[in-house]
Amino acid sequence: GENVEQHPSTLSVQEGDSAVIKCTYSDSASNYFPWYKQELGKRPQLIIDIRSNVGEKKDQRIAVTLNKTAKHFSLHITETQPEDSAVYFCAASIGWGKLQFGAGTQVVVTP
Amino acid sequence: GAVVSQHPSWVICKSGTSVKIECRSLDFQATTMFWYRQFPKQSLMLMATSNEGSKATYEQGVEKDKFLINHASLTLSTLTVTSAHPEDSSFYICSARDHLGQQNEKLFFGSGTQLSVL
Repeated sequence: GENVEQHPSTLSVQEGDSAVIKCTYSDSASNYFPWYKQELGKRPQLIIDIRSNVGEKKDQRIAVTLNKTAKHFSLHITETQPEDSAVYFCAASIGWGKLQFGAGTQVVVTP
Repeated sequence: GAVVSQHPSWVICKSGTSVKIECRSLDFQATTMFWYRQFPKQSLMLMATSNEGSKATYEQGVEKDKFLINHASLTLSTLTVTSAHPEDSSFYICSARDHLGQQNEKLFFGSGTQLSVL
């Protein structure tokens, strides 16, 4: 089955700096890669996603890159703000909505 | 985006009792729903895939007789934790896929249920 690894487990950044989270996946059949933000006790919120036929996608301060050959994808957050503090999960899907999640990254943005 | 409602949001029960959690897709039809379990400071672990009108598919290591799943309609799936024990205490969260939507690979999550078994 699919195995998703995520690094780092924790990330502390100064407000205004950039944050990068990296994930690797094992199943070359995976074709959909969403990123979720989860605040304590809340549901995961989809923040950005990318399909395997696209190498990069950007939405304001958030961007995701995908390298199919190397089987890794990354989340980039620029100009971080305190409200970006949360746990971020990457995931990979081989279709039909079944997702394998990474272990999560606790992001702390300090003012 | 699509809305998934999950109830209850939290429940406390005695050991040995059963607890039912409901997951509803409010504005779309979901032939497939997924149930996840999340322990504190850990990732979401897929428990089972709930298919409308058929038996659920359980992930390895998940006891199907303990975690009963029913998906009787296109908008409702239920998870019943039978004979709950303290080790079943966890955050249970459902998700659904809008199989008719244009972006039908996207998953929409319920708000989760925090289960505490005493």
